[in-house]
Amino acid sequence: DTGVSQDPRHKITKRGQNVTFRCDPISEHNRLYWYRQTLGQGPEFLTYFQNEAQLEKSRLLSDRFSAERPKGSFSTLEIQRTEQGDSAMYLCASSTGTGVWEQYFGPGTRLTVT
Amino acid sequence: AQSVTQLGSHVSVSEGALVLLRCNYSSSVPPYLFWYVQYPNQGLQLLLKYTTGATLVKGINGFEAEFKKSETSFHLTKPSAHMSDAAEYFCAVSDPGGYQKVTFGTGTKLQVIP
Repeated sequence: DTGVSQDPRHKITKRGQNVTFRCDPISEHNRLYWYRQTLGQGPEFLTYFQNEAQLEKSRLLSDRFSAERPKGSFSTLEIQRTEQGDSAMYLCASSTGTGVWEQYFGPGTRLTVT
Repeated sequence: AQSVTQLGSHVSVSEGALVLLRCNYSSSVPPYLFWYVQYPNQGLQLLLKYTTGATLVKGINGFEAEFKKSETSFHLTKPSAHMSDAAEYFCAVSDPGGYQKVTFGTGTKLQVIP
């Protein structure tokens, strides 16, 4: 069990550019979640996958955001035409989906849009 | 709809003193409750969780929390603070049904004074 990993850990981009983040969940976990955390706030839910199916998206996930989980393994979160308001920590979590679906978090990707 | 309120965005305690971090929740169904800890520039680590059964739950690093349904509270305590406890703590609630979506509080930053 190597834990949830995220790449990159930090990303600085200019406004208007596209960025993509990757999350590798714990290998036997079939549920995967994306959250966004801004300074001074708790994580806010963005989207949820069960295997490769994206089952729920928050209203926070505007049409500039897209997430995928091909083959039910790793996931990517893409932000198109980034805005300064997108600057945040993007957290990924995974869970087994049995019993209490305790979520295990990755270290996050910190995005700074200049 | 679920929500979490954490009283006090910053708490300072002396090393060796009692730690008390307050959390109140709102949920239309019996909830699952969690406390997570976050160190700077890291992801969230689960401290403890309440699902059903015993209302006093013990977690890692000497922390414990008590579920009080009548007060809709789930306060986090530790008898004696260590310098290493300085971090941000998040209370969270999830709905046992569906995909157990987790809603986080805004966090309490704990400072431990030597």
